[in-house]
Amino acid sequence: SQQGEEDPQALSIQEGENATMNCSYKTSINNLQWYRQNSGRGLVHLILIRSNEREKHSGRLRVTLDTSKKSSSLLITASRAADTASYFCATDAQGGSEKLVFGKGTKLTVNP
Amino acid sequence: EAGVAQSPRYKIIEKRQSVAFWCNPISGHATLYWYQQILGQGPKLLIQFQNNGVVDDSQLPKDRFSAERLKGVDSTLKIQPAKLEDSAVYLCASSPDRIRALHFGNGTRLTVT
Repeated sequence: SQQGEEDPQALSIQEGENATMNCSYKTSINNLQWYRQNSGRGLVHLILIRSNEREKHSGRLRVTLDTSKKSSSLLITASRAADTASYFCATDAQGGSEKLVFGKGTKLTVNP
Repeated sequence: EAGVAQSPRYKIIEKRQSVAFWCNPISGHATLYWYQQILGQGPKLLIQFQNNGVVDDSQLPKDRFSAERLKGVDSTLKIQPAKLEDSAVYLCASSPDRIRALHFGNGTRLTVT
């Protein structure tokens, strides 16, 4: 079963614009992670945010977490063509086996 | 550090045949995962190892899938016999501990005809 659901399913923007992707989940979590997947490649870890954190930054990435709404957002600022990829959120549920469950992803296209 | 190595990169088989995938995790990583990713979907966990032991295999179709982790290092995932719906990318990942950042290999793309 998939815990996280990303929104939108697909997003197309121009280079230089900001991209925002959202993730909603169903049960209480220990932490939430975001991953990027380029076509034909494995996933690359971007950022991990713990359940007691509200915001985290890494370079051009900003992640927020709202545990009351069971949602997270990933903001990519000043996007580049190289940011074109699919982005997945992954959660591990509290009280479970600590397995990481991925959503279906958002496919981001950044047009030059 | 060297990344997670997987082989083969691509495999095409007919239904009812068997197939095996191999994974070499990052040195020192205790936790190893096999995920199945069907086109257009997110990865689905098949099995998670902690050293030699299985932590979670609740979504592994045990009538046809099997996996082992040799001496807590390399791992193989086998499908026997394969079905059409097994067509997917099989991703191996490792992490130094449970629920830390996962390091993924590039996967094996399986096509069952």
